[in-house]
Amino acid sequence: SQTIHQWPATLVQPVGSPLSLECTVEGTSNPNLYWYRQAAGRGLQLLFYSVGIGQISSEVPQNLSASRPQDRQFILSSKKLLLSDSGFYLCAFSWGGTGNTIYFGEGSWLTVV
Amino acid sequence: KNEVEQSPQNLTAQEGEFITINCSYSVGISALHWLQQHPGGGIVSLFMLSSGKKKHGRLIATINIQEKHSSLHITASHPRDSAVYICAVPSNFGNEKLTFGTGTRLTIIP
Repeated sequence: SQTIHQWPATLVQPVGSPLSLECTVEGTSNPNLYWYRQAAGRGLQLLFYSVGIGQISSEVPQNLSASRPQDRQFILSSKKLLLSDSGFYLCAFSWGGTGNTIYFGEGSWLTVV
Repeated sequence: KNEVEQSPQNLTAQEGEFITINCSYSVGISALHWLQQHPGGGIVSLFMLSSGKKKHGRLIATINIQEKHSSLHITASHPRDSAVYICAVPSNFGNEKLTFGTGTRLTIIP
């Protein structure tokens, strides 16, 4: 069966420090991968999505970047965190054609102080 | 871009009550997702449906493609159903990128 793992679960980082959130998928190949952010009191916002290794599309301008070094690995990074980067980050994947079920990782709570 | 509206935003009910959460969207879609987010933040996919009705245990999801509307029903609600329920649709027809509603916070009182 397909599974997705995301870590770390929580982290508190000072402003200006770097960030790395990692996500891996098991049980399927060539998944579509997504990074979402949920700010306090708001809905999920798509940050990045990837349809293949090295293929990253950004949905909104921001202080973050994403990379997909392997087929089932998706990394969210920042060189210098801002206070506004605080929030709940979710990795997700889907596969196959249009409208397939989407599966979410456990999420990462980021607090920038 | 698809616009998604959910109602109500908050819902408090007594244990055992029948619950209905509504979702409307603006652009024709291939499939609609219902998700459940627990207080810890984790999100679980409940349903993905493109027509008619789906049932899983006490949860029922219906969709009317012509009216661009879906409902999530919970029968015999229980405190463990307390969560945020989120509706999500593709941003454009044939696109897997999802647009999410802001969610309905459901609280079931024993």
